Amino acid sequence: EAEVAQSPRYKITEKSQAVAFWCDPISGHATLYWYRQILGQGPELLVQFQDESVVDDSQLPKDRFSAERLKGVDSTLKIQPAELGDSAMYLCAVRRIGGTPLEETQYFGPGTRLLVL
Amino acid sequence: AQSVTQLGSHVSVSEGALVLLRCNYSSSVPPYLFWYVQYPNQGLQLLLKYTSAATLVKGINGFEAEFKKSETSFHLTKPSAHMSDAAEYFCAVSGGTSYGKLTFGQGTILTVHP
Repeated sequence: EAEVAQSPRYKITEKSQAVAFWCDPISGHATLYWYRQILGQGPELLVQFQDESVVDDSQLPKDRFSAERLKGVDSTLKIQPAELGDSAMYLCAVRRIGGTPLEETQYFGPGTRLLVL
Repeated sequence: AQSVTQLGSHVSVSEGALVLLRCNYSSSVPPYLFWYVQYPNQGLQLLLKYTSAATLVKGINGFEAEFKKSETSFHLTKPSAHMSDAAEYFCAVSGGTSYGKLTFGQGTILTVHP
């Protein structure tokens, strides 16, 4: 079973429409992250959750993006209205807790690829 | 603040040849450094990470990286490239903890020729 599931895997929408993505990690991950990866670039953090609370959303365009993590397990990321520049891969990651720093790291889901027309 | 620069957006090697992907970082605190690999339309898979335990870090699939503080570098190497290594590779830095916000480089696409 994958550590982090994301849906949908692909989404095509028209500009000005609303779109939502889901991240469903195996339970027990207190820290969850959403990254945006524009084609040809590295991922950029949008928002970081600790349980239900947002701890970093400094790069989240709050006029159109929103994120929530009710109950501290799965999470949704919403865009309303979508713009052409939002076309990207949206990646969810979780902090995997291990016994040593070598084992603690971020593990990524397969991502949702969004195309805005 | 942290930043990462990956030198070379595309690297091409022959199968069996040495792979060298370059990464330089900047960090205001002792860094944690990572290399991730991404296959087309997939998420990122961790190859290896540096957490100050040892400067030479061995990862999966025969990759390793050496942390050089004096050069602020964390280059990724593999002695002999395999066709299955063709992918995009990202270097990333996290300041302060091994699970904090990751700042990624722009990525390097590795092509392996038969």
